Amino acid sequence: NAGVTQTPKFQVLKTGQSMTLQCAQDMNHNSMYWYRQDPGMGLRLIYYSASEGTTDKGEVPNGYNVSRLNKREFSLRLESAAPSQTSVYFCASKEGLAGSEQFFGPGTRLTVL
Amino acid sequence: AQTVTQSQPEMSVQEAETVTLSCTYDTSENNYYLFWYKQPPSRQMILVIRQEAYKQQNATENRFSVNFQKAAKSFSLKISDSQLGDTAMYFCAFGRGNAGNMLTFGGGTRLMVKP
Repeated sequence: NAGVTQTPKFQVLKTGQSMTLQCAQDMNHNSMYWYRQDPGMGLRLIYYSASEGTTDKGEVPNGYNVSRLNKREFSLRLESAAPSQTSVYFCASKEGLAGSEQFFGPGTRLTVL
Repeated sequence: AQTVTQSQPEMSVQEAETVTLSCTYDTSENNYYLFWYKQPPSRQMILVIRQEAYKQQNATENRFSVNFQKAAKSFSLKISDSQLGDTAMYFCAFGRGNAGNMLTFGGGTRLMVKP
C-alpha cells in the first residue's frame, strides 16, 4: 500500500497563476482533508470531504477550491495564486469512524513569487 | 471553535531521560478525541498516541504516555527513555467527536534529544 500520495512534491508559481494539487489514497478511507502548514506553525484545515460526494470548508478556505473526484482522490485548486499561499500543503485521509487516525501524505511545498 | 495551545516552543532532553510536553485546549464539547502527532525533519506526520475523552484511563504506547486531565483541559505527552530518533516537532491536536473528525492543531513543540 502506498498510503496517501501527493503530487507534485515541490512547485513554484508566479502571482496570479493557477494550479491543482493532487491527492490519492489507497486505504478505502471515507474522509479526506487538505491542510496547510506555515513556517513554525501547526496545520490548519482548508477543506475536507467527510464522504464521497461531499465537501466542506475548514478554517482557512479563502482562495481555494476542492474536488472529491471519487473515493480515492481529492484535489485542491488555487485559481489565482498569491504570495500568502506560500506554504506546505498536506493531504490526509481516515476511516469514517469518529476518532480514528488521520493518515497524512508527504506534503507539497508551494512557493508563490 | 476549539483552540489548542502548546506553551513550549522548544525543548531539549538528554538521551535516555524523560521529557514532558504540555498541551491545553479549549472546547465546549463533551465528546472529542485528542492526539499527539510527530513531525520529523522528513516532514511526514506520524501519529504517536490517541486519547478518547470519555475514557478516564490515560493512553500508553510503549515509551509514550499521556496525562489527560479533562476538567483542566490538559493533555500532556511524556516520553520515557528518550532516543535520538525522537527529535522532531510534536503537535497536539483536538478532534471533534463526529465522523468528520476535523483536527485542530496546536503550534507545536520542537524537541531536540541530545546524545
